This record gives sequence, C-alpha cells and structure tokens, in this order.
Amino acid sequence: AQSVAQPEDQVNVAEGNPLTVKCTYSVSGNPYLFWYVQYPNRGLQFLLKYITGDNLVKGSYGFEAEFNKSQTSFHLKKPSALVSDSALYFCAVRDMTGFKTIFGAGTRLFVKA
Amino acid sequence: DAGVIQSPRHEVTEMGQEVTLRCKPISGHDYLFWYRQTMMRGLELLIYFNNNVPIDDSGMPEDRFSAKMPNASFSTLKIQPSEPRDSAVYFCASSPLGRETQYFGPGTRLLVL
Repeated sequence: AQSVAQPEDQVNVAEGNPLTVKCTYSVSGNPYLFWYVQYPNRGLQFLLKYITGDNLVKGSYGFEAEFNKSQTSFHLKKPSALVSDSALYFCAVRDMTGFKTIFGAGTRLFVKA
Repeated sequence: DAGVIQSPRHEVTEMGQEVTLRCKPISGHDYLFWYRQTMMRGLELLIYFNNNVPIDDSGMPEDRFSAKMPNASFSTLKIQPSEPRDSAVYFCASSPLGRETQYFGPGTRLLVL
C-alpha cells in the first residue's frame, strides 16, 4: 500500500533563509509525487510534481523539490523564504497504476520577518 | 475558467438533518474527487469518479454518505442523517487526466451541532 510521511508538524524559518519541508514515501513501482500548498480558508493549490526525468523539479513561487529514489524522499525547498510562504504544505503520492492520491498529514510553515 | 466551484461555502445544521454538498468541476476534466479534511485525520479521499462513474468509494465512511455525478458538470455529496463527527471541511477536486495535478475547490465547512 502506498503511503507518505511528513515527519515535521511545523517548520519555522526566518525570512530570507533557505527552507526545507521533508517528505518520504512508500509505493510499489515508480511514483508520481506532488506538493500542494493550502492557505487559510482555501483549497489546496498545486506547487509542483515529479513524474519522471530530472530529479530536481522546479515549481511555482520559487519552490523546488528533489526526488531521491534511494532514500524514497521528495523534500520541498526554497532558497530564500518569504513571510507570504507561511502556509500548510502537503506532500502527496500516487502510483503509476492507480488513480488514488494519498496525502501526507501536512507541515505548517512559519516564516518570521 | 472559474475553477472548481463548491456550494455552500459554510453549512451549519443539526444532528439528524440531511446535508447536501455540491460541486461543479472544471469543464473538460474527466475525474472528480471528494475529500474530507479534519484536524485529527488530515485529508482523506472519500470517493472519485471517472467520466461520471464512481470508481473507488472505499473512503466513504459509512452508509450515511452517498455521492452522485449525474453529468460531467455536477456532483453531490450527501450525508443523511448527519452527526457531529461529520463536522469537517469537504473539498471537491477535478483533474483532466486522473494521474496528475488535481484542482481543488475552496471547500465547504460543515458544522453539525
């Protein structure tokens, strides 16, 4: 069965510093991996995805994620955090044979000015 | 396109009442998903449709929940009778292919008293 883990409930970072939000996954076969962001009282918004190809994926708002097959990880990164990046971030995984996406529990990011 | 539209945005009802949540997916999208989000359980997939046909309803918590998609532009999620533990935010999402990005609506915040 596929699963995704976000080991940190919350990440705190100062504005201008780099940020990392961690995600590990378990899936049979090759995964489709996603990051979504949720702002207060809003639905989830797509940030980026990994399907195949280059292990470093670039997405919206300056975010990027690195796919590491040996560590089964897909960490979200940004070189310089903004206060406006403060939100709830979800990692998600889908296997190539199915259509069901499994979401992690979410990591709340606080960026302090 | 207006994106995924959900109504109502907020619903307050009393235990035992019937609740109907509505969703209009993005035009041309083949897949529609219903999710429930709570603090305790995170984001859970309830059911998804492909071309108006329910494909996987294994996430529907119990018989009190039912979902329909009578046409490509409309879906409903019904709870009858409602219970306080059904209080949550319910999201509808649609996808053009089913394997990749999902587009979420703003959600319906349900409170059952």
